[in-house]
This record gives sequence, C-alpha cells and structure tokens, in this order.
Amino acid sequence: ETGVTQSPTHLIKTRGQQVTLRCSSQSGHNTVSWYQQALGQGPQFIFQYYREEENGRGNFPPRFSGLQFPNYSSELNVNALELDDSALYLCASSPSGKSSYEQYFGPGTRLTVT
Amino acid sequence: DQQVKQNSPSLSVQEGRISILNCDYTNSMFDYFLWYKKYPAEGPTFLISISSIKDKNEDGRFTVFLNKSAKHLSLHIVPSQPGDSAVYFCAASKPTGNQFYFGTGTSLTVIP
Repeated sequence: ETGVTQSPTHLIKTRGQQVTLRCSSQSGHNTVSWYQQALGQGPQFIFQYYREEENGRGNFPPRFSGLQFPNYSSELNVNALELDDSALYLCASSPSGKSSYEQYFGPGTRLTVT
Repeated sequence: DQQVKQNSPSLSVQEGRISILNCDYTNSMFDYFLWYKKYPAEGPTFLISISSIKDKNEDGRFTVFLNKSAKHLSLHIVPSQPGDSAVYFCAASKPTGNQFYFGTGTSLTVIP
C-alpha cells in the first residue's frame, strides 16, 4: 500500500506567477485536504475535496483553488503568488466514514516565492 | 484567530521519564481531537485521538486526556524514548469533520 505522495518536493517561484502542486492520495482514500504550514506555525487548513467536490474551505482567498480527479489525486493551484505564500504545503488523504478523522499526510512541497 | 493553542514551543525530558504535552482550545464546538507527530522532512503522522464523549484514551505508551470544562487536552508519553523526539501537533475538528484546526506544535527532545 503506497502512502501519500506530493510533487514537486521544492519549488521556487517569482511574485505574481502561478503554481500547481500535486498530490497522490493513499489507496482507497476518497477525501483529500490541503494545508499551508508557515515557518514556526501549525498547518492551516486551505480546503478539502470529497469525491471531486469541494467539501470545506478555510480562510484563504479565491486565488487558492483545487481539483480532485476521479482517481482521487489532486492539485492545489495558487495564482498571483505573494511573498507570504512561501510555506510548506501539505496534502492529507483520509478514507470516508468514521475513520475520516484520521488523515494521512504527504511529506509536503516547500514553496519559496521571491 | 488561533483556536487551538500549544503554549510550550519546546520540552526536554530524560529518557524513561514522563513527557506531558499540553493543548488548549477555545471553540466549544470541537468534538474530536487528535495528536500528530512530525519528524523533519516528513509530513505529520497520526498518533492518537479522542472523542469529546470520552475523557481518556490510551494506546500503548501514549495517553490523551481531555478536560472539556477547561477546554484542555494533554498527551502523556510514558516512558519517553529518544525516538519520541519530534514536533507534536494537537488538532481539533467540529462535528462536520471537514476542517481541522492545528496548534503551533511542541518540539519534544528526549535526552538519552
């Protein structure tokens, strides 16, 4: 059973550019959540997707958007990058049902905006 | 607005002794609480959880205690081992279960 994977590992972008981060969920998991973790902070919830539909959103502007595909892999897109978007981006997958509280995290993508 | 708080950024404990990590929350709607452990360059790993209908949950060396009236939970690790050295995050969820709120983490160092 493969775990949650994310790509790329590291990324450097310039302010104003757009970025796409990718996540492959753990086998059998149909829910994926994305988090932003700034240095010295805990993960901040961006949004969650369940069966390709957005199922909850945190306090992030619309330039943060996502997609979930039929195979339950997903993308996080960020437009008009700002310096404060520099952070570790984590995705986490979870199964449906009672155990959906238990999320399995990927290693993250480190985004640096210059 | 930080709804889940971990006021101790770091903690050092001797091997074999008890480690107690604390977490406070402000939102009375939270009904499920989790602890995650994070090693450098890895994502957080689920450790243990507790529902608001319980006040204690135990799994091997790890025990989580929940005090709803004080809006406080704690993680006890007994006995502490050097491999337990990591950053520990507590997290909370409302009944909808689709949004998790994390604390800022406590870095635990277990000294051999």
